[in-house]
Amino acid sequence: GIQVEQSPPDLILQEGANSTLRCNFSDSVNNLQWFHQNPWGQLINLFYIPSGTKQNGRLSATTVATERYSLLYISSSQTTDSGVYFCAVQTSGSRLTFGEGTQLTVNP
Amino acid sequence: DTAVSQTPKYLVTQMGNDKSIKCEQNLGHDTMYWYKQDSKKFLKIMFSYNNKELIINETVPNRFSPKSPDKAHLNLHINSLELGDSAVYFCASSPNGETQYFGPGTRLLVL
Repeated sequence: GIQVEQSPPDLILQEGANSTLRCNFSDSVNNLQWFHQNPWGQLINLFYIPSGTKQNGRLSATTVATERYSLLYISSSQTTDSGVYFCAVQTSGSRLTFGEGTQLTVNP
Repeated sequence: DTAVSQTPKYLVTQMGNDKSIKCEQNLGHDTMYWYKQDSKKFLKIMFSYNNKELIINETVPNRFSPKSPDKAHLNLHINSLELGDSAVYFCASSPNGETQYFGPGTRLLVL
């Protein structure tokens, strides 16, 4: 099956800093999503982005499908951004496969 | 007006018991899913239903049986619970097999 690798596994930032999270995948995909799991465990869909670039407030994401990676940018980070960020991908006819996540801690 | 809801949120039970987790979505989505998140936070799909029909059945033990009485509900019944079943179980729904919306999770602890 498809392999999904996220980096870094852990990231600690000071409030106000910017960061980039990366997701590499091993095959062509027709579905790529970024999720945020907050410290209370809730999984929130951030982006559906199988290709191209999207922005939502301080967050933006870019997927370069031909090179099999996606990036999630967080600007001016806040303590509420803390949690685990998951990338999940799907190839045609298969199920959504999650990466192992990036644990982000934003300190005040 | 919660979009995807699950009950119960917490479930503590003894080994060998049978338990059910319920999921409801009011988004009008056709597809619903069950995921398991283990203690290392790894998320893996268990089942998927589209319009009450099973379309994905990962290699989970037969003790796990999903049931979809209608498009808006997908329940998960677990027989003969084992210690290794302790995890967080998430229900999700999707309008088109693309963007998925997750419920709050059910934290199951088997003693």
